[in-house]
Parts: sequence; structure tokens; C-alpha cells
Amino acid sequence: ILNVEQSPQSLHVQEGDSTNFTCSFPSSNFYALHWYRWETAKSPEALFVMTLNGDEKKKGRISATLNTKEGYSYLYIKGSQPEDSATYLCAPPFGNEKLTFGTGTRLTIIP
Amino acid sequence: DAGVTQSPTHLIKTRGQHVTLRCSPISGHKSVSWYQQVLGQGPQFIFQYYEKEERGRGNFPDRFSARQFPNYSSELNVNALLLGDSALYLCASSSAGSSYNEQFFGPGTRLTVL
Repeated sequence: ILNVEQSPQSLHVQEGDSTNFTCSFPSSNFYALHWYRWETAKSPEALFVMTLNGDEKKKGRISATLNTKEGYSYLYIKGSQPEDSATYLCAPPFGNEKLTFGTGTRLTIIP
Repeated sequence: DAGVTQSPTHLIKTRGQHVTLRCSPISGHKSVSWYQQVLGQGPQFIFQYYEKEERGRGNFPDRFSARQFPNYSSELNVNALLLGDSALYLCASSSAGSSYNEQFFGPGTRLTVL
């Protein structure tokens, strides 16, 4: 079973500010890293699937980087908006599709 | 196209009862995974099925079982319910059983065991 840590656990950010948070995972036997956004009362929504060391992916104002050698990924949000309020989960699989989720970072954007 | 659907939305059971949760994947998806999410934790992997065969099982007791049907829909069964089984049960589908495939989640079934 993988030990996946996300920090911080929760975060309050002023609207318009940029922010970032971290996902740490064991670097051995790396397959891929999934990032999800989970808004209250909705389904988790896939943001990125990252596979290569040094990968950087971007979706609008959200981007993510991956370091498989040291076992971490950063998620960045530029110019936070109220609709960015959600829990952000990272999940490396420990086998085919067996995602191991961290506890998430709960992001609240203050208008 | 419809996304992943799950039924029922909410369910209340008492200890010792049995429950069946249902999941319909996105059309064309052959892989279905089940996760349990309790408050304050990330979703925990329970089962994965691909092409009607079990591909993986998480650290859950034998009271938990699942199956996948020829149309790729899936059922999760839990016997002898315990209070600790109260959780949100999520189903996710993907096109193939690979770590590199994006998984699409349903809205979940909220199970309360009294």
C-alpha cells in the first residue's frame, strides 16, 4: 500500500491570488500520477494524468509538475477564482488503475 | 453522452443487513473500479473489473464482493453490514485497465448503516 501525503490539508486563498500545494508519494515503482478536483456534491473530476519525470501539464489557470525521482508533484492555480474552491486529490496507482488517493487539499477561495 | 451513473443515490441500512450498489460505466468503457470514501479521508480502492474479470482487490474483508456484467455495468455487494461501512461509495470507469487511463467517476452512493 502506497503512502501518499498531501499538504497543506486546507488552504484559504484570496480571490485573484495564486496558490500551490504538494503531493508526495514513494518514488519506487512509479506508474503515473493522477490529479482530481472534487467539488462538494459533485463527482471527482480528472485534471491531469502525469507519467514522465519533468512532466508539466496545464489546463486553463491550473498547472502541475512532476518529479518522479524525488516523489512529488505540485499543483498550481493562477489567479484563483471562487469556482476553484474544491478538494484537490492526487493519486498514484499501485497497480493497474488501483488509484491510491491522498487525503486531499481543501481549497477555499475568499471573494 | 451520459457519464458514469450510480444507483441508488442514498441508502439507509441496519447492521447485519446486505446491500447492493450499482454502477453503469460510460458507453464503450470496459473497466470499472469501486472506491470507498469515509469523511476526512481520500477514496480507498476496493475492486477493479476489466472485461468482466476481477483485476484487483483492495484491503477489504470478504464481506465485500463485486461483479461485472456483459454490458460492463457492475454491482458492489456488502454482506453483514457494520457501522463502519457507512461511507460514500464511488464507481469509476475507464476505457482500458491501465494506470495511464483517465478514470471517470460517478456521483457516488451514500450508505448509512444504523
